[in-house]
Amino acid sequence: AQSVTQPDARVTVSEGASLQLRCKYSYFGTPYLFWYVQYPRQGLQLLLKYYPGDPVVQGVNGFEAEFSKSNSSFHLRKASVHWSDWAVYFCAAVNMGYKLTFGTGTSLLVDP
Amino acid sequence: EAAVTQSPRSKVAVTGGKVTLSCHQTNNHDYMYWYRQDTGHGLRLIHYSYVADSTEKGDIPDGYKASRPSQENFSLILELASLSQTAVYFCASGTGGSYEQYFGPGTRLTVL
Repeated sequence: AQSVTQPDARVTVSEGASLQLRCKYSYFGTPYLFWYVQYPRQGLQLLLKYYPGDPVVQGVNGFEAEFSKSNSSFHLRKASVHWSDWAVYFCAAVNMGYKLTFGTGTSLLVDP
Repeated sequence: EAAVTQSPRSKVAVTGGKVTLSCHQTNNHDYMYWYRQDTGHGLRLIHYSYVADSTEKGDIPDGYKASRPSQENFSLILELASLSQTAVYFCASGTGGSYEQYFGPGTRLTVL
C-alpha cells in the first residue's frame, strides 16, 4: 500500500543549528512529494514540492529537500533554524489520482 | 487574495446531533477536499470533489457526507455526530495538474 512515514514524532534543535526532518515513502514508481508546515492553530502551508527532475528543491524561508529514489526518501533540511520555525511539519505524496497521502507529522521544537 | 475559508472555526456538538461544516474557496480550483486531523494520524482524507454536484469518498468516509453545490463551496455533514468524530477538520482546494493543495484554517469540532 502507498504510504508516507515520518519516523520522528518530535525533534528538538537549538536556534541557529542545522535541521533535518526525515520522510520515507512507499510508492510504485516516483511520486510527487511535498512538505507542508502547520503553525499553531493554523492550517497547513506548502513549504516546497518535488516534481520529477532536479533532486534538490528549494522552498520558502531557507528550507530545502532532497529526493532520493534509492533510499525512497525526501528529507527536509535547513542550515540555520530560527525560533519562528517552531511548528509541525508534514511530508506528503501523490502518485496516481489527486489524493495526497500524509505522514503523521514531526513536531519541531526550537531551543532558544 | 485567493483563500480557503472555513466556518465555524470551532463547534461543540452533542452526540447524535447533526453538524455541518462549511468551506469556501476563491482559488478557482476544481478540486476540494475534507480531511480530519487526529494526534498521531496526520491528516486523513474523508471526501473530495472535482466538480460541482459530485463528491467522492476518500479513505475514511464512514459517518460523513459531503456536498458540493458550486465550485466555490464544499460542505461536510455529520448526520449523527459521535464522540469518535471529535477532531480538527481541514478543507483544502487544489488544481488537477500540479497536485498542490491549499488549506483552510481548520474547524475544531468537539462532540460531547
